[in-house]
Amino acid sequence: NAGVTQTPKFQVLKTGQSMTLQCAQDMNHEYMSWYRQDPGMGLRLIHYSVGAGITDQGEVPNGYNVSRSTTEDFPLRLLSAAPSQTSVYFCASSYQDGEQFFGPGTRLTVL
Amino acid sequence: EDKVVQSPLSLVVHEGDTVTLNCSYEVTNFRSLLWYKQEKKAPTFLFMLTSSGIEKKSGRLSSILDKKELFSILNITATQTGDSAIYLCAVRGSNYKVTFGKGTLLTVNP
Repeated sequence: NAGVTQTPKFQVLKTGQSMTLQCAQDMNHEYMSWYRQDPGMGLRLIHYSVGAGITDQGEVPNGYNVSRSTTEDFPLRLLSAAPSQTSVYFCASSYQDGEQFFGPGTRLTVL
Repeated sequence: EDKVVQSPLSLVVHEGDTVTLNCSYEVTNFRSLLWYKQEKKAPTFLFMLTSSGIEKKSGRLSSILDKKELFSILNITATQTGDSAIYLCAVRGSNYKVTFGKGTLLTVNP
C-alpha cells in the first residue's frame, strides 16, 4: 500500500496563477480531507468529502475548490493564487470513524 | 461551529519530567477525539478515544476522555528529547468532519 500520496512536494506560484494539488489514497477510505497548516495555527480544514460525489466546506474554504469523482482521488484546486495561500497543505484519509492517515504534505509559496 | 482548544500552547520541560497536555472541545454530535504527534513532517496518530473514563496507553503516553466535561488530557511520563514535537488534538463530529486545535509545542531539554 502506498497510503496517502500528494504531489507536488513543493510549488512556487505567482499571484493570480491557478494550480491543482493532487491527493490519492489506496486504502478504500470513504473520508478524505484537505488541511492547511500555518505557524501557530494547527491544522485548519479547507474541504472534506465523505464519499465519491460528496464534498463539503471546512472552516477556510475560500479560494479553493475540490471534487471527488472517485474514492481514490481528491484534488484541491487553487483558482487564483494569493500570497495568503502560502502554506503547507496536507491531505488525509480515513474510514468514517477511523484514524486519519496523512500524506507527506505540499509546501506552497505564492509570490 | 466545532471548536477545539488546546493548552498550553507551548511548554518547555527537562528530560524525566511528566507533562499533561489539555484539550477541550465543543462539537455537534461528538463521535471521537484523536491525538496526533507532529515532528518535522506529517502528523502521526497516537490515540483515538470514544468512551469516557477509559484510559488509552502506549508506553509512556496515556490519554483519557471526559465526555461530560468535554475535555481530554494527554500525559507523557519520563519525557525524553525525542518527545519534542507539536501535539495535536482533534474531534470528529457531524458528518464525520474532523476539526483540529492549534496544538501544543513541547520542547524537552536534556
